[in-house]
Amino acid sequence: DAGVTQSPTHLIKTRGQQVTLRCSPISGHKSVSWYQQVLGQGPQFIFQYYEKEERGRGNFPDRFSARQFPNYSSELNVNALLLGDSALYLCASSFLDTLNTEAFFGQGTRLTVV
Amino acid sequence: AQRVTQPEKLLSVFKGAPVELKCNYSYSGSPELFWYVQYSRQRLQLLLRHISRESIKGFTADLNKGETSFHLKKPFAQEEDSAMYYCALSGAYNQGGKLIFGQGTELSVKP
Repeated sequence: DAGVTQSPTHLIKTRGQQVTLRCSPISGHKSVSWYQQVLGQGPQFIFQYYEKEERGRGNFPDRFSARQFPNYSSELNVNALLLGDSALYLCASSFLDTLNTEAFFGQGTRLTVV
Repeated sequence: AQRVTQPEKLLSVFKGAPVELKCNYSYSGSPELFWYVQYSRQRLQLLLRHISRESIKGFTADLNKGETSFHLKKPFAQEEDSAMYYCALSGAYNQGGKLIFGQGTELSVKP
C-alpha cells in the first residue's frame, strides 16, 4: 500500500485562476480531510468528507470546495486564486467506523500563486 | 474557541539531555489529544495519542485536564529526534476526521 497519495506534488498558478488538487486515501479508509499549511504554521483544517458527504468545514471562503468520489478519492478545488492561497495542501485519510483515531497524511501539494 | 498553543517555535538541546515540548489547548468538552511528527523530507505522521497511553520512541505525553496541557517529554534526546512536532486535538469520537493543530515546535538535537 502506497499510503495516501496526492497529485500533483507541485504547481504554479496565476492569480484569478482555478486549481484542482487530488487525493487517493489508503485502501479501506472512507474519510478524507484537507488541510492548508502556510509556511511556518501548523496545518489548518479545510474540509472533511465521509461517504461522499461533507462532515465538516473549516473557516475558509466559498472559493474553496471539495468532493469525494465513490472510490473515496477526493478533489479540492480553489477558485479565483489569491496570492495568500500559496501553501502546502495536505490530505489525510482515516477510518471512521472504528475507534481508531489515527489520520494518515499524504506528502502534500505545494501550490504557488504568482 | 478551540485552539492549540505551542509556545516554542524552536527548541534546541544537546544529545542525552531531557526534552519537553509544551502544548496547551482550549476546548469545551472532552477532546482527544495527539502529537504528530514530521521528519525531514517525510510526511506528517502520528507519534502518539493520549488515549493509548503508550510510549513511542521513548516519548510520553500526559493529558492534564486541570492545566489543559499535553506536554511531550523524553528523558534522553537523540539526534534522530530532530524534527517538527505538532500538537493536535480533535473532538471526542471524531476519529481523526478534523484535527486542530498548533503551530509546531522544531526540535533540534545537537551532538
